[in-house]
This record gives sequence, structure tokens and C-alpha cells, in this order.
Amino acid sequence: DTGVSQDPRHKITKRGQNVTFRCDPISEHNRLYWYRQTLGQGPEFLTYFQNEAQLEKSRLLSDRFSAERPKGSFSTLEIQRTEQGDSAMYLCASSGYREGNEQYFGPGTRLTVT
Amino acid sequence: GENVEQHPSTLSVQEGDSAVIKCTYSDSASNYFPWYKQELGKGPQLIIDIRSNVGEKKDQRIAVTLNKTAKHFSLHITETQPEDSAVYFCAASYFGNEKLTFGTGTRLTIIP
Repeated sequence: DTGVSQDPRHKITKRGQNVTFRCDPISEHNRLYWYRQTLGQGPEFLTYFQNEAQLEKSRLLSDRFSAERPKGSFSTLEIQRTEQGDSAMYLCASSGYREGNEQYFGPGTRLTVT
Repeated sequence: GENVEQHPSTLSVQEGDSAVIKCTYSDSASNYFPWYKQELGKGPQLIIDIRSNVGEKKDQRIAVTLNKTAKHFSLHITETQPEDSAVYFCAASYFGNEKLTFGTGTRLTIIP
């Protein structure tokens, strides 16, 4: 296992459609984070999990967004009824106690809503 | 909540010279300060971090300094090389609330 992986890498969808992204963390990392990054900005925190428990959600995460980590391994982020303002890079990161909680990021999923 | 400011937004240096990027944070409870390098089309890559119990940390050509009293920390890159060209982000968090708050980034360009 060489790092955090995300799928798909790119997604183009029409406004109003639902989309789902997947993140596979580094093996044995118990924490998993979702961030959103718009052009020219730093990543903004959305939510994070410790094992399967979702511990915190940002105000940015509207009711149209839902994240799961059912078995404490991979995670999914779903956006319902997409809007043009949802266009962004969605980044996943993971961390584990052995690494002192340093967060390692995946390559991201770039979402374009037309 | 935490607020992190980062300067400058763009920085151009001659190859071989040093580059310095500065960040300030607002929450005195923050005690973990990582730096990330992001290349076009890729996710952020952790390059160095510092915790509040030390004032400086070095790893080959990169170093980070932390001034807790003034609530600012800096990234120093010496002997810059073309492959150092990227966008650099600072971030802050604290134990028990590990979400990272990022700065707005610095686009570093190394001029050959």
C-alpha cells in the first residue's frame, strides 16, 4: 500500500445529479478526513472519521452532502442534487497514531458541475 | 475558530537562492503546524511539520521555525532547485481537534 487512493480522479456531471466519490486510506490508518479545495485556495475541512465513527462535520457540509465509512476502512462522499458551486477538488487524507497523526493526502477527485 | 494567514501569495527566486514563506495563526491552542507542497493536478504532499514543544526543525534543505509567543511560523528552503517550484500551504491544528486549517498558499517559482 503506497498511499491514499481516490476514485474517480475526474467527474463531470450535470446540475441536479447525484455523485459519489470513494477514498481508500493508507492501511491501518484509523482516521480519515475529507477536504474541499477550490481554485487558488487552500483545502477546507469537511468532515472526519475515527474508525467508523464520524466525529465532526463542518458547516460547509450541507444537507446535500453525506459521508460514510462503514467498516472503518474506505470512505464514500456523496453529493445529492449537485449545484455549480459544488465544483471543486475533493481531497481525502488519512492519519494514524504511529505517524503522530500527520495527514497524508490522496490525489483528489476533481468535480465539474455543468 | 482558527484562522491562518500566509504570505507572500507568490514568490520568485533564482535557483540556488533561499525562499522564505511566513504564516500566522490566531488560536493559541494550536500546537501542530505542517507544511504541504502541491504540484499541479496532485494532492498536497506533507514536507515537514513542527509541534509546539520545539522552536525549529530541519530536514536537509528545508526548515521550519515556530514562534508561539507571536503566533507565527515560517518555512525556509535553501539552495532552491527547479523541482521546488510548486504551491506551498501552511496549516495549523491542535491535539484533540485534528482538522487542519490551511493558509491560502504561496506559489513558488524557481528561476533557472
